[in-house]
Amino acid sequence: DTGVSQDPRHKITKRGQNVTFRCDPISEHNRLYWYRQTLGQGPEFLTYFQNEAQLEKSRLLSDRFSAERPKGSFSTLEIQRTEQGDSAMYLCASSPRRRGFTEAFFGQGTRLTVV
Amino acid sequence: GQNIDQPTEMTATEGAIVQINCTYQTSGFNGLFWYQQHAGEAPTFLSYNVLDGLEEKGRFSSFLSRSKGYSYLLLKELQMKDSASYLCAVRSLSYNTDKLIFGTGTRLQVFP
Repeated sequence: DTGVSQDPRHKITKRGQNVTFRCDPISEHNRLYWYRQTLGQGPEFLTYFQNEAQLEKSRLLSDRFSAERPKGSFSTLEIQRTEQGDSAMYLCASSPRRRGFTEAFFGQGTRLTVV
Repeated sequence: GQNIDQPTEMTATEGAIVQINCTYQTSGFNGLFWYQQHAGEAPTFLSYNVLDGLEEKGRFSSFLSRSKGYSYLLLKELQMKDSASYLCAVRSLSYNTDKLIFGTGTRLQVFP
């Protein structure tokens, strides 16, 4: 499978615990994005990487959220001290760097439930 | 500010044609995308417009008017499998960002 891969697919955690999600983008895609999606809503932008550099982080993202992309390959998204409001689908997407049209390819997402 | 509006829900009959509208007001514009998302699955790319006019792709077509901040997705010969959410997204591009800003999505139900 050469698509965007996310792990785990589902995560149930107790409020206050830390969680970490992993995203493996399509090989040679240098752009990587994290989005969050709640029921009945469109994906909401969280952060953007170009290679290993995190170029933008949404102002909606609290300090409890952190993302990394060491070596410009896979990425991790960590949420510290989870809250019930963090329950959502976390989507990762990647795209190649080129001029003009660039389609973002999405992974299947990690569904987080905070109880 | 960023604002993308699309209807929340639509219904249609198998074999019919449906048009899903999207209006946008964004600080930057570098193209408009339509994605399809079945329940519990990842969004998948349908179409892309960066210039005004109509782009046709099989049963699906997408139209863009940049001056009006308006796009629509046209689905012809509807099939049951077209029941899904359709997401309108604007690409925002600058020196330090390249991201898609999504609307809330339009949930389409196709009935036999």
